[in-house]
This record gives sequence, structure tokens and C-alpha cells, in this order.
Amino acid sequence: SYELSQPPSVSVSPGQTASITCSGDKLGDKYASWYQQRPGQSPVLVIYQDNKRPSGIPERFSGSNSGNTATLTISGTQAMDEADYYCQTWDSSIYVVFGGGTKLTVL
Amino acid sequence: QVQLVQSGAEVKKPGASVKVSCKASGYSFTGYYIYWVRQAPGQGPQWMGRIHPNSGDTNYAQKFQGRVIMTRDTSISTAYMELSGLKSDDTAVYYCARDYGELPTVCNCFDPWGQGTLVTVSS
Repeated sequence: SYELSQPPSVSVSPGQTASITCSGDKLGDKYASWYQQRPGQSPVLVIYQDNKRPSGIPERFSGSNSGNTATLTISGTQAMDEADYYCQTWDSSIYVVFGGGTKLTVL
Repeated sequence: QVQLVQSGAEVKKPGASVKVSCKASGYSFTGYYIYWVRQAPGQGPQWMGRIHPNSGDTNYAQKFQGRVIMTRDTSISTAYMELSGLKSDDTAVYYCARDYGELPTVCNCFDPWGQGTLVTVSS
């Protein structure tokens, strides 16, 4: 079965850049999406097709995907960005897989 | 605005079945795949399957094959997910979510999500 691995936690100071990675075999050959989930809320799509932002998502959120690693980057991190972040991918054989999630702490 | 509203929390005994509904509004129901995803306490999301809104064709995750049935009623813009043979480890929040791409384009990414339905399995 296909697996996506994320670091359990990442810490960042306000105003700095946070990077969250997601690793999977040949992940760069597939599309990666990223979701933000605040406590007690439903997930929200923040990046799709590796580097596209849905309408309403701030420009400080960006994404990349190459080789075996996709990366979500949050520039100028704000306190409101503190949340759990999940990567997700899809292909015709595995369908949909989510990563285990990364807790972003803004110190 | 685009919205998915799910049915309320359920408490079930082991071996029972549960059926969760997901009512869509603010867009053309027949234009987008609906997916079902569950999230156990403290865990990441887990994909269960999807349903094509027009044909009703389904794709299920292997883990749930034989235990899950997804249906839809286009006349009331509502999708359903029924899970049978419940076990304690099926205790989770169950979400419906819409594909971000409008058919025939498919994103296989999800937005928006419903508010979630907590299903508790306990004797």
C-alpha cells in the first residue's frame, strides 16, 4: 500500500517561514494537495495540484512537489496559521491517500 | 454559498449499521463528485470512497469493500454513506466532501467539507 510520511510537528516564530514536508515513493509523479485543520473544525483545502491556491487562501501559502517530497511553505506565518496540516495524493491505482499530519505551532 | 450539511451524531452497538446523509446546496449537485472521508480521534483523515453524482458509480477504498455503500438522491441533492458491521474502531468523525473540480474535470482534491458526523460504536 502507498504511504505518505509527514513530521509530527513543526514550530515557527511569528513572521518567519514554515516548511512542512510530505514524503512518498515517486510522489513528484502525482499531484499533491494540502489541508489545514484547526481544532474542532473540518479540513480546508489550502493547496491543490502541487502549487495552486483555492480562492480565498492567502498568498503566503505555497506548495511544491518534486522527486519523493512535496512541501507546503507558509511565508510570514501568523498565529492564525497554527493548525494541523495534512498532505494528500491520488492516482488511479491507489485512489486517495492522506499523510498522518503535522501540527504547526507558532511560538 | 457552497455548503454540505451532514446528519447528526449517532451512537451504535457493535455489529449494527449507520447511514450518514450529506445535503448539498449552493451549486449544481450533478456537477461534482462527492467523497467520504473519516477521521478517528487524534488520527489523520482516511478516504473511504466516492460517488459520481450522475451515474451513481462508486469507487471504494479496499479497506471498506463489502461494508460500505454510497448512494445519492439527485432530486434532493443529497449523498449517503452506509457502513455496516460496525466495530469499536469505526468510532470516528465521518465527513463528506466535494471535489474541487467541476465535471468532466476531476481534481481528486476536496473542498468544501461537511461539518462532520460523529459515529460512536460502543456496547
